[in-house]
Amino acid sequence: GIQVEQSPPDLILQEGANSTLRCNFSDSVNNLQWFHQNPWGQLINLFYIPSGTKQNGRLSATTVATERYSLLYISSSQTTDSGVYFCAVNTGGGNKLTFGTGTQLKVEL
Amino acid sequence: NAGVTQTPKFQVLKTGQSMTLQCAQDMNHNSMYWYRQDPGMGLRLIYYSASEGTTDKGEVPNGYNVSRLNKREFSLRLESAAPSQTSVYFCASRGDDWTRGYSPLHFGNGTRLTVT
Repeated sequence: GIQVEQSPPDLILQEGANSTLRCNFSDSVNNLQWFHQNPWGQLINLFYIPSGTKQNGRLSATTVATERYSLLYISSSQTTDSGVYFCAVNTGGGNKLTFGTGTQLKVEL
Repeated sequence: NAGVTQTPKFQVLKTGQSMTLQCAQDMNHNSMYWYRQDPGMGLRLIYYSASEGTTDKGEVPNGYNVSRLNKREFSLRLESAAPSQTSVYFCASRGDDWTRGYSPLHFGNGTRLTVT
């Protein structure tokens, strides 16, 4: 099956700093999503981005499908950004998302 | 609008006991999923249901059974719990138009299961 790798596995930032999270995948995809899991365990959908660039407030994402990677940008980070960020993909006509192992982000004051 | 509701939130079982995790969604979604989350391994798909009356195996189905009782409800059953099934379990659902465009995955708040 498709392999999904995320980097870095862990990241500590000072509030106000910017960061870039990366998601590499091993095959062509027709669906790529970014999720945030907050410290209470809730999973929130951030972006659906199989290709191109999208922005939502301080967060933006870019997927370069031909090179099989996606980037999540967090600008002016806040403590509420802490948690785990997952990317998830699926291929072909399937209904199943395969998740990466996540990036654990901690934003400190 | 409750979204995806999972019960219970916490459960402790002894090896060999059985239990059913309940999931219900009120968004009229056709597709429903069960994932487990283990430290350092992300979320792995156990079973999914593309529509009422159908279920399919995911990545890690062994030791589990599912029932799509109706369009709203999708339950996960552990017939004989094992310590390896200690995990956090998430139910999710997705709208009908995912094949034509964007339909986000909506998650429940999870069930933390410990098997001793």
